[in-house]
Amino acid sequence: NAGVTQTPKFRVLKTGQSMTLLCAQDMNHEYMYWYRQDPGMGLRLIHYSVGEGTTAKGEVPDGYNVSRLKKQNFLLGLESAAPSQTSVYFCASSRTGDSYGYTFGSGTRLTVV
Amino acid sequence: QQQVKQSPQSLIVQKGGISIINCAYENTAFDYFPWYQQFPGKGPALLIAIRPDVSEKKEGRFTISFNKSAKQFSLHIMDSQPGDSATYFCAATNYGQNFVFGPGTRLSVLP
Repeated sequence: NAGVTQTPKFRVLKTGQSMTLLCAQDMNHEYMYWYRQDPGMGLRLIHYSVGEGTTAKGEVPDGYNVSRLKKQNFLLGLESAAPSQTSVYFCASSRTGDSYGYTFGSGTRLTVV
Repeated sequence: QQQVKQSPQSLIVQKGGISIINCAYENTAFDYFPWYQQFPGKGPALLIAIRPDVSEKKEGRFTISFNKSAKQFSLHIMDSQPGDSATYFCAATNYGQNFVFGPGTRLSVLP
C-alpha cells in the first residue's frame, strides 16, 4: 500500500545514546516533515524538507538533525538522547505545502531512560 | 500568534448525539484549516478541511463551521457513533510557511 513508512515502531534509548529514525514515502511527495506528539501538546514540528537536499527548522528543532539525501527518505537523528525527547514521533509528507495532501506515518514511540 | 487553541480537552457524548469541538487562531495569514482524526496507535488522518472563503463545509456527518471575523472554527459530528471515538486535532497552515496543530480533543462516544 502506498503511504508513509516509519522505522522503527518502538525504541528505548539510554541517555546520551544516538539513533536515527527513518521515514520513507512512495507517493513522490516533495514535502516531508517530522513531528513529535506529547500529551496535551498536540503535534509540534521538528524539521521539514521542501525537496531533496533541503531541510529547515520547525518549532522545536533543538537536539535533532535531519537529512534528505533522497526524495523518498527523510531521516531524523538524535545525537545525544535526553529524557525530554521521550515522545511519539510522526513523519508526514505532502505534494506541496498544502496540508490537504498531508499523509502521516504510524509513528515511532521513543523512550529515553 | 502561531498558536491554535482547541477546546474541550476531552468530550463524552452519547451515541446519536452531536459532538462539537472548537478551535481559535490568531494568525490572519492562515488560509487553510484541516481537521485530523487519530485512533490509538495510528498516525493522524485528514478528516475534513475548509478554506476561509466559505463559512461551512459538510462531508457526511462531519461539518466545519468557520467564522473568519472571530478567527474561530469548529467541527460538528452529527449522529455520533462509538466508532468516532478518537482524538481530533484542528490545524492551520498557510501553504508551507507554517504548520500549527491544536492540542487535541479526546472524544468518547458511549454506546
